[in-house]
Amino acid sequence: DIVMTQTPPSLSVTPGQPASISCNSTESLLHSDGKTYLYWFLQRPGQSPQLLIYELSNRFSGVPDRFSGSGSGTDFTLKISRVEAEDVGVYYCMHSIQFPPTFGQGTRLEIK
Amino acid sequence: QVQLVQSGAEVKRPGASVRVSCKASGDIFTGYYIHWVRQAPGQGLEWVGCVNPSGEGTNFAQKFQGRVTMTRDTSVSTVYMELTRLRSDDTAVYYCAANWGSGYWGQGTLVTVSS
Repeated sequence: DIVMTQTPPSLSVTPGQPASISCNSTESLLHSDGKTYLYWFLQRPGQSPQLLIYELSNRFSGVPDRFSGSGSGTDFTLKISRVEAEDVGVYYCMHSIQFPPTFGQGTRLEIK
Repeated sequence: QVQLVQSGAEVKRPGASVRVSCKASGDIFTGYYIHWVRQAPGQGLEWVGCVNPSGEGTNFAQKFQGRVTMTRDTSVSTVYMELTRLRSDDTAVYYCAANWGSGYWGQGTLVTVSS
C-alpha cells in the first residue's frame, strides 16, 4: 500500500498569515493518463470531510482561492495564502491512483 | 440538490453484524462509485472499501476482507455496507462518499461496539 505522510502534525496560525502543509507519498501519484491522483480534504470539528483540492491542484467548487495545491510525483503541498477563522480543522491528503486509497494522518490547524 | 443520507447510529455487541445504508439522490447513484471510510474516535480517516456504479464490483481494504460486503439496491437508490464479527475496535463513524472528486459525502453513522 502507498503510505501518505503529512507534516506538520499540527500548526497554529495567526489570522491573515499563510499556512503550508506537506504530504509525501511512497510511490508516484502521476498516472499514465497525465493526472496526479492527489486530493486534499478539510474536516471541521463534528463534520464530514469536505473536498478542497482534487487531482493535485484543482480547487473544488466553492473553495476560496486562498487555497492552492501543488507538487509532483511524490511531494505535495497545500497552501493557504491568508488563514481565516473558518479554516480551523484537520486537513488530510489522500491518493486514489491505486487500491487501496490511503490518507495521510492529518494536520490539525488552529488559530492563534 | 445532490445528497448522500446515511442511516442512524447503531449499538452492537461484539460478534454481531451491522448494516449501514447510504441513500443517494440525483445522479450520484447511477454513475458513481460509492466508497466507505471510517474514523475511530479521535483518529484519522481509513478507507474500508467501495462498490462500483453497476453494483457488480467491489473492492475492500485487506483488513476487512471476509468481514465486509457492499451492495447497491437500485430500486431505492441505496448502497449498503455490512460489517460482520464486530469487535470493539470497529467502533467508529462510518462515512459514505461518492467519487472522490465529486465532493459528496454522507453525514456519517456512528457504530458503537460494546458489551
